[in-house]
Amino acid sequence: AQTIHQWPVAEIKAVGSPLSLGCTIKGKSSPNLYWYWQATGGTLQQLFYSITVGQVESVVQLNLSASRPKDDQFILSTEKLLLSHSGFYLCAWSLGGTGGGEQYFGPGTRLTVL
Amino acid sequence: TQTVSQSDAHVTVFEGDSVELRCNYSYGGSIYLSWYIQHHGRGLQFLLKYYSGNPVVQGVNGFEAEFSKSDSSFHLRKASVHWSDSAVYFCAVSPSYGGSGNKLIFGTGTLLSVKP
Repeated sequence: AQTIHQWPVAEIKAVGSPLSLGCTIKGKSSPNLYWYWQATGGTLQQLFYSITVGQVESVVQLNLSASRPKDDQFILSTEKLLLSHSGFYLCAWSLGGTGGGEQYFGPGTRLTVL
Repeated sequence: TQTVSQSDAHVTVFEGDSVELRCNYSYGGSIYLSWYIQHHGRGLQFLLKYYSGNPVVQGVNGFEAEFSKSDSSFHLRKASVHWSDSAVYFCAVSPSYGGSGNKLIFGTGTLLSVKP
């Protein structure tokens, strides 16, 4: 069975500090990977997606970047946090190709920027 | 431009009641339609999807959804809800071709509250 882990579970960071969030998928080779951001009580906004190692497409520019250093790992980062980065970050995977509208989400990371 | 509309922000029912959560979409091409559930503070769980064929699709935990091309709708239903069904439900649309097929566009969500 496939499992998806996100780390850390929660972060409290200062404005202007760097950030790195991680996601690992086990039990599935060559998945499509995604990062989403969710404001408190809000809808989900897709930030990045990746269909293969080393290749990441940006969907929305929020002063964030993403990388896929390994087939099973997806990293979200920034060098300088803004207050607006606060929220819930979710990693997801799908089968290759178009994904078929079916994605599987991790437990999320709660980020608070002060 | 693809849009997904969930007109009800909050729906309250009693345990054992039936419920319908509404979703309307706007998109000119071929798409996948799906529903996801998010319990408080958790990640999303995939419930079901539709692409073609029988317009009524069955999902997990007794949920089903019906696609209507004429109404541009994909409403979610359950015949008898349980308190554990209390959660936020998101409808989503995904284009079925090309690189944009990796894009999942979510509605604003409907909070379902089930009272005992």
